[in-house]
Amino acid sequence: DQQVKQNSPSLSVQEGRISILNCDYTNSMFDYFLWYKKYPAEGPTFLISISSIKDKNEDGRFTVFLNKSAKHLSLHIVPSQPGDSAVYFCAARGYNFNKFYFGSGTKLNVKP
Amino acid sequence: NAGVTQTPKFQVLKTGQSMTLQCAQDMNHNSMYWYRQDPGMGLRLIYYSASEGTTDKGEVPNGYNVSRLNKREFSLRLESAAPSQTSVYFCASNFPPGGEPSFGPGTRLLVL
Repeated sequence: DQQVKQNSPSLSVQEGRISILNCDYTNSMFDYFLWYKKYPAEGPTFLISISSIKDKNEDGRFTVFLNKSAKHLSLHIVPSQPGDSAVYFCAARGYNFNKFYFGSGTKLNVKP
Repeated sequence: NAGVTQTPKFQVLKTGQSMTLQCAQDMNHNSMYWYRQDPGMGLRLIYYSASEGTTDKGEVPNGYNVSRLNKREFSLRLESAAPSQTSVYFCASNFPPGGEPSFGPGTRLLVL
């Protein structure tokens, strides 16, 4: 059973608007959460992360929010740009620091 | 720095054939990982190596073996390929404890 879930396989947004990607997890022992971006025929690249002791982390246009009580995190991209079109994976680190669990990904399409 | 490199980029195998996927990193990372990506399943951990000389099973280890040849190299072997092993394979590495993994470009494997 997947411990990290991304329930929206795809999302389409107009350029300049906000993109909100969501992720849910089941294991309360996860202590560190990450978002990766993946273009076709390339490996995933790290985007932004958040520790479980925080509820928000910002990096330029990208903000990640963590709601521990709901076991939910989200990635906000503002404003969205066509170059943001990619598959986004969320991931969580287990208590064994060497195991990272990934969601199934959300394909974001930003329309010009 | 080349980062994480993988060979080959693409491979076609017949059922029952064997092959080894190669991975190397030049970032002096201690930990290395093998993931597979399948549609709707995200990235699933096959095996990981927390340090030179150690390997451990991930979520989906059946049908695979690994070798941590030295600090730089981590190979994945399919002894008798099956169509269910058709996938894209990603190697990754990171610094412990639990820094964000850096991924290679992937190996696309088709088993007929």
